[in-house]
Amino acid sequence: DADVTQTPRNRITKTGKRIMLECSQTKGHDRMYWYRQDPGLGLRLIYYSFDVKDINKGEISDGYSVSRQAQAKFSLSLESAIPNQTALYFCATSDSSSQFGEQYFGPGTRLTVT
Amino acid sequence: AQSVAQPEDQVNVAEGNPLTVKCTYSVSGNPYLFWYVQYPNRGLQFLLKYITGDNLVKGSYGFEAEFNKSQTSFHLKKPSALVSDSALYFCAVRDSGGNNRLAFGKGNQVVVIP
Repeated sequence: DADVTQTPRNRITKTGKRIMLECSQTKGHDRMYWYRQDPGLGLRLIYYSFDVKDINKGEISDGYSVSRQAQAKFSLSLESAIPNQTALYFCATSDSSSQFGEQYFGPGTRLTVT
Repeated sequence: AQSVAQPEDQVNVAEGNPLTVKCTYSVSGNPYLFWYVQYPNRGLQFLLKYITGDNLVKGSYGFEAEFNKSQTSFHLKKPSALVSDSALYFCAVRDSGGNNRLAFGKGNQVVVIP
């Protein structure tokens, strides 16, 4: 969905490095999410934010941190990257005024930690 | 907590034949159910949702899904598969009384054989 953008799209980094993944959206949604995708495991929620001042841990938040800089921006940081954080990372958004809560996804960032 | 099971890793189907991708769910309240599709190197795209009402839900690209409350299932179907339907399909569920957090299945790879 072109309304949700992620940068970078691909990144290779070394163990121990700090890395930030960024997400921006023009959909005007108030809720934003970070997921990681691993083969055979589906999508797992890392962090989510229901507005600028609301940040919540998901099911696999250890080793990650987030920042909601504005309603349209939500970044994910790996303070000290490790190889098992190699995965495909997705940002998603949803609108709290939508009763049904469907989420809209960015194109993903493929992260490799060597 | 809500959860989704997609029992098959891969579904192979000949072009023109009916396609079915299975999904069962577990949720404490009334379910909101979703199907997403992921094409190679792309983010997840919303296909369809079940909220309430008619158990047969129609979505994008000729897909439909049937909600079965007694079997806690929400199988995705297409009467005549196309080679372009080859992709990864995810089922997701949330509790209608909860927040917007979705629980995703592990995904099913669909391969349509020409």
